[in-house]
Amino acid sequence: DQQVKQNSPSLSVQEGRISILNCDYTNSMFDYFLWYKKYPAEGPTFLISISSIKDKNEDGRFTVFLNKSAKHLSLHIVPSQPGDSAVYFCAAGGSYIPTFGRGTSLIVHP
Amino acid sequence: DGGITQSPKYLFRKEGQNVTLSCEQNLNHDAMYWYRQDPGQGLRLIYYSQIVNDFQKGDIAEGYSVSREKKESFPLTVTSAQKNPTAFYLCASSIDTGVYNEQFFGPGTRLTVL
Repeated sequence: DQQVKQNSPSLSVQEGRISILNCDYTNSMFDYFLWYKKYPAEGPTFLISISSIKDKNEDGRFTVFLNKSAKHLSLHIVPSQPGDSAVYFCAAGGSYIPTFGRGTSLIVHP
Repeated sequence: DGGITQSPKYLFRKEGQNVTLSCEQNLNHDAMYWYRQDPGQGLRLIYYSQIVNDFQKGDIAEGYSVSREKKESFPLTVTSAQKNPTAFYLCASSIDTGVYNEQFFGPGTRLTVL
């Protein structure tokens, strides 16, 4: 049973617009959440994280929102750029090894 | 330059053969991990190690073995018992196994069984 779900396998967005990637989790013990970005044939790289005591964290063009009651988080990328085209993984955990979602492939069109 | 190296980048093996994938890190991290990525499957944990000479099975350990004799090295052996070994393998490390510490990933090894 998947504890971390990314229900959209892919997302297509035009350059300059907002990209919103979603992630749902089922384990109420999860209290820390991370997003990783992965290019083809490379390892993922850490992008941004948020702890359960916050509902928002920003880093430049990237913002993660956490809705604990809905067990939902989202990654917003504004404005989207072609170089953002990659697979984005959501990961969640509670003081131990995080569980990864299946990823969402983002394509940003020029 | 600190980081994680995996070798080789591409690996081919004949069915029935064991093969060992290398993973080295110079980040002085205690924890190391092996993941497998298949299309549409995300990252699935094979084995992890919290400290030298200790390792634990992950979600899909069957058909794999590891060792952690040195802090900087965590090789993965894909044995002939692994029924579907063709995949992209990723090694990672972190300060420790707590989720609060981001993981640093290597570039991966693509294994193809012929």
